[in-house]
Amino acid sequence: ETGVTQSPTHLIKTRGQQVTLRCSSQSGHNTVSWYQQALGQGPQFIFQYYREEENGRGNFPPRFSGLQFPNYSSELNVNALELDDSALYLCASSDPGWNYGYTFGSGTRLTVV
Amino acid sequence: GDSVTQMEGPVTLSEEAFLTINCTYTATGYPSLFWYVQYPGEGLQLLLKATKADDKGSNKGFEATYRKETTSFHLEKGSVQVSDSAVYFCALFKTGANNLFFGTGTRLTVIP
Repeated sequence: ETGVTQSPTHLIKTRGQQVTLRCSSQSGHNTVSWYQQALGQGPQFIFQYYREEENGRGNFPPRFSGLQFPNYSSELNVNALELDDSALYLCASSDPGWNYGYTFGSGTRLTVV
Repeated sequence: GDSVTQMEGPVTLSEEAFLTINCTYTATGYPSLFWYVQYPGEGLQLLLKATKADDKGSNKGFEATYRKETTSFHLEKGSVQVSDSAVYFCALFKTGANNLFFGTGTRLTVIP
């Protein structure tokens, strides 16, 4: 079975621009969560998508938005980029029964200059 | 609110040394507890988990016991290898919530 794949792996954007990050969930997983990991910190929960609906959100402003598609893949969109948005963005998928198992992708490293 | 506190790093050990990475948590109710590992350039991998008090999670020689009385979940390994060099994250999950709460991570370097 394939794992979680994220694209692109690295990205450089200018402050004020918009960015879209993509995630393909592991086969059989219908729930996708996004986390932001700043340098030297633990991952922080952004939001979760289940059956194409947002199913929980962390303490992030509305300029962080997402989508989930019928095939359970997902996008994270960030508008009006700020320097502090520079981080590793991790996508994690889980199965319908969860069973305490999140599978994480390798992440997208976003640098805002 | 819910939180996880991890031992500050970095930790440097010689091969075959004993490892302990401390983790304590604050949460209402009965969370499940996890250790994740992040190798350079990679995402997070689940190392072990415990879902109730006094449970011991174990994997690849690593162990951690869920201690409700001390709200702790310390990671231990009896003999570390160079290949164990990575960043280790303690995390908690509460039933009914939608996310994991992570600690700040502890970087382990094992030297030959």
